[in-house]
Amino acid sequence: GQQLNQSPQSMFIQEGEDVSMNCTSSSIFNTWLWYKQEPGEGPVLLIALYKAGELTSNGRLTAQFGITRKDSFLNISASIPSDVGIYFCAGLVYNQGGKLIFGQGTELSVKP
Amino acid sequence: EAGVTQFPSHSVIEKGQTVTLRCDPISGHDNLYWYRRVMGKEIKFLLHFVKESKQDESGMPNNRFLAERTGGTYSTLKVQPAELEDSGVYFCASSQASGYNEQFFGPGTRLTVL
Repeated sequence: GQQLNQSPQSMFIQEGEDVSMNCTSSSIFNTWLWYKQEPGEGPVLLIALYKAGELTSNGRLTAQFGITRKDSFLNISASIPSDVGIYFCAGLVYNQGGKLIFGQGTELSVKP
Repeated sequence: EAGVTQFPSHSVIEKGQTVTLRCDPISGHDNLYWYRRVMGKEIKFLLHFVKESKQDESGMPNNRFLAERTGGTYSTLKVQPAELEDSGVYFCASSQASGYNEQFFGPGTRLTVL
């Protein structure tokens, strides 16, 4: 079935550093999404990407929809302590009712 | 506007017992989704309701899981009898329409089966 491989699984960085994480798949997706989950909360949407090659920013976050439609990356610049959490990529295929396929998550720790 | 709520936040039960999880979607959202994250793995789709109808239940693990959404408002997910491998965090999400409309997630129910 459809599967997303997300890496890295975890990252321990110093405040101010840049972070990069990515997702790959053998399947094509029509939409790529990036979510952040904080302790005790559900995932919250950070960025949505709708077109192959699209590069979108949201503050210090930048994400790209791979040209093959099989991959996406998320960059966080100048990390701060509140960036701590688990980041998930998710893919969506049209005509599947909105069902999201998630990656395994990247757990980010930021040391002040 | 209230977000998606889930009850309970935590549940600890013994193998063989029954547990019922509840999800209240955002008011007016016809689409309701259940997902589950087993420790350290991906968040996996379980099923999708449109109003009170099951649109897609392809992710339900087996027949020990029963989801309902009577009246098209809140939904329940019952696990009977629970097994050790059912432990995980169960998320509910809702959206205004299917296809791609943003899904808003609840805080999840952490289920531990001993």
